[in-house]
Amino acid sequence: GQNIDQPTEMTATEGAIVQINCTYQTSGFNGLFWYQQHAGEAPTFLSYNVLDGLEEKGRFSSFLSRSKGYSYLLLKELQMKDSASYLCAVRDSNYQLIWGAGTKLIIKP
Amino acid sequence: GAVVSQHPSWVICKSGTSVKIECRSLDFQATTMFWYRQFPKQSLMLMATSNEGSKATYEQGVEKDKFLINHASLTLSTLTVTSAHPEDSSFYICSATGTSGDLYNEQFFGPGTRLTVL
Repeated sequence: GQNIDQPTEMTATEGAIVQINCTYQTSGFNGLFWYQQHAGEAPTFLSYNVLDGLEEKGRFSSFLSRSKGYSYLLLKELQMKDSASYLCAVRDSNYQLIWGAGTKLIIKP
Repeated sequence: GAVVSQHPSWVICKSGTSVKIECRSLDFQATTMFWYRQFPKQSLMLMATSNEGSKATYEQGVEKDKFLINHASLTLSTLTVTSAHPEDSSFYICSATGTSGDLYNEQFFGPGTRLTVL
């Protein structure tokens, strides 16, 4: 079966750095996505990785290792507004998005 | 660019009635639209995938006669929840992809519709 694993919840301090891991087992691979979702709102796109390596976009970076079936989202200089759920999703061979359950990130002052 | 709207943003209805939710791509042509459902504190659950002009593909366990999907144009898809019951109360979100480049690589999400069935 297809499976996306990510931690259920993480806590970090304002101004610090946090890394959210995602491991996946899917039927084929056509890219990995990270989305941010605030409570009661729809997800918003953060990043897309299809090749191995690090993609940096401002305070957020995303890393992919296809051979290990592994990705992480790195958030730097954390702000209170970064408190949200972070969803990892993999596009499989049928171009379907397989979603992880999301990681709830709690930022403390 | 790549904006997706949903209407209504929230709806309360009586058990047994039908509710229609619209999903529109405002500034691009959406060849594929997706309908998701999300219960509190849970992840997105894909209900169905629809391509313009063809029948929707439903995920296992989703009743196609209860959740009617129409994707009649490249900018509009509708989801009708027929004979709604309290257990259908949820957050319904649509997303859309375009034909090439960034529009194809990313799913652009609508703001969601919160349905409450009394």
